[in-house]
Amino acid sequence: DIQMTQSPSSVSASVGDRVTITCRASQGISSWLAWYQQKPGKAPKLLIYAASSLQSGVPSRFSGSGSGTDFTLTISSLQPEDFATYYCQQADSFPWTFGQGTKVEIK
Amino acid sequence: EVQLVETGGGLIQPGGSLRLSCAASGFSVNNNYMSWVRQAPGEGLEWVSLIYSGGNTFYADSVKGRFTISRDNSKNTLYLQMNNLRADDTAVYYCARGHYYGSRSYSGAFDIWGQGTMVTVSS
Repeated sequence: DIQMTQSPSSVSASVGDRVTITCRASQGISSWLAWYQQKPGKAPKLLIYAASSLQSGVPSRFSGSGSGTDFTLTISSLQPEDFATYYCQQADSFPWTFGQGTKVEIK
Repeated sequence: EVQLVETGGGLIQPGGSLRLSCAASGFSVNNNYMSWVRQAPGEGLEWVSLIYSGGNTFYADSVKGRFTISRDNSKNTLYLQMNNLRADDTAVYYCARGHYYGSRSYSGAFDIWGQGTMVTVSS
């Protein structure tokens, strides 16, 4: 199975900060990677697909990059509504797997 | 409106069975890949199972042989039959629709999620 490892597990940041979250796959997954945002008690929301494509309706401050084994999600200027937990997910091979999550907290 | 609504969760004893349903509206489940994803209390997301439009199915190792994903095209509903339930199956179960982009290119992501249904396995 492909293991997805996110870092950091949590980050404290202020409104306006640039935040970068990393996701590393245990083997190459090309660009079969998605990023989600989840707020407490809510379903996940798709932010990025195919490693770097912005889902329709998602603010342009979110961006994704990477291919192979190393990927990043960047929030260019953190907004109050961005405080949440973020997950990466690989769809290269079954079983599909998620990272353990990165919680973005208010500093 | 495009949406998914899960039902069927509840409290069940270890070893018991439960069937979750996911009613879709605004699109056809048989034209999309569909998945179940679960989240144990306070934990992260875990992919559980997937069914492709062609009918092929896939499962996480933790549920293989115990869970079965299926769909009823006439009811536009996705199902998850869960047998021999264990305490570590306790979670919120989400159904999710596969995402396509451009002229029907498959991304492997999920763009529409239900609100989730809680399954608690306990004696």
